[in-house]
Amino acid sequence: NAGVTQTPKFQVLKTGQSMTLQCAQDMNHNSMYWYRQDPGMGLRLIYYSASEGTTDKGEVPNGYNVSRLNKREFSLRLESAAPSQTSVYFCASSEARASREVRQFFGPGTRLTVL
Amino acid sequence: AQSVSQHNHHVILSEAASLELGCNYSYGGTVNLFWYVQYPGQHLQLLLKYFSGDPLVKGIKGFEAEFIKSKFSFNLRKPSVQWSDTAEYFCAVNARSASNTGKLIFGQGTTLQVKP
Repeated sequence: NAGVTQTPKFQVLKTGQSMTLQCAQDMNHNSMYWYRQDPGMGLRLIYYSASEGTTDKGEVPNGYNVSRLNKREFSLRLESAAPSQTSVYFCASSEARASREVRQFFGPGTRLTVL
Repeated sequence: AQSVSQHNHHVILSEAASLELGCNYSYGGTVNLFWYVQYPGQHLQLLLKYFSGDPLVKGIKGFEAEFIKSKFSFNLRKPSVQWSDTAEYFCAVNARSASNTGKLIFGQGTTLQVKP
């Protein structure tokens, strides 16, 4: 049981390049999330997927796209990377149910630098 | 809009000192509350959580937190810190509702440095 896995762990891009961050979970969770972590700002939600086949914007979606490929996988794509997207990206998953207790499990993160 | 505020951005303590990190949130409804810890170079780990019941919750490694509904607060405490507690601590809130998607709103984080 690996929990939440992310690839790659590190990535350096040049401005304008594109890339996809991969995330997978083996806990059969319905909901998955992408956050970015920046110093002094905590974690901010980029996009989330409440269930397979649905995606919604979070606090900071500009410059990103997501795909919920299946129940296990949720990818984050940067179409044209910018230096402002230099950050650490975390994927998370949870078994979210209406009005019930939920908790999120986090992946190890991807450290992305855009030059 | 919901928000979470952590009062202390950077805390420096000596070993054996007591710790209290403040967390306040803005949301009028029922909430799930969390404290996560991130050790240097590692990913977030759940320290403790509050869903319902006893407002004083105990977590791992001797940490505890108290939910005070009237103050919209969920402060983290530890009676005696150790050097190994050096980490960044995040408070997070999930608004419970009929359409709960499990989204978390995080505070800005508090960096704790414990001196040996």
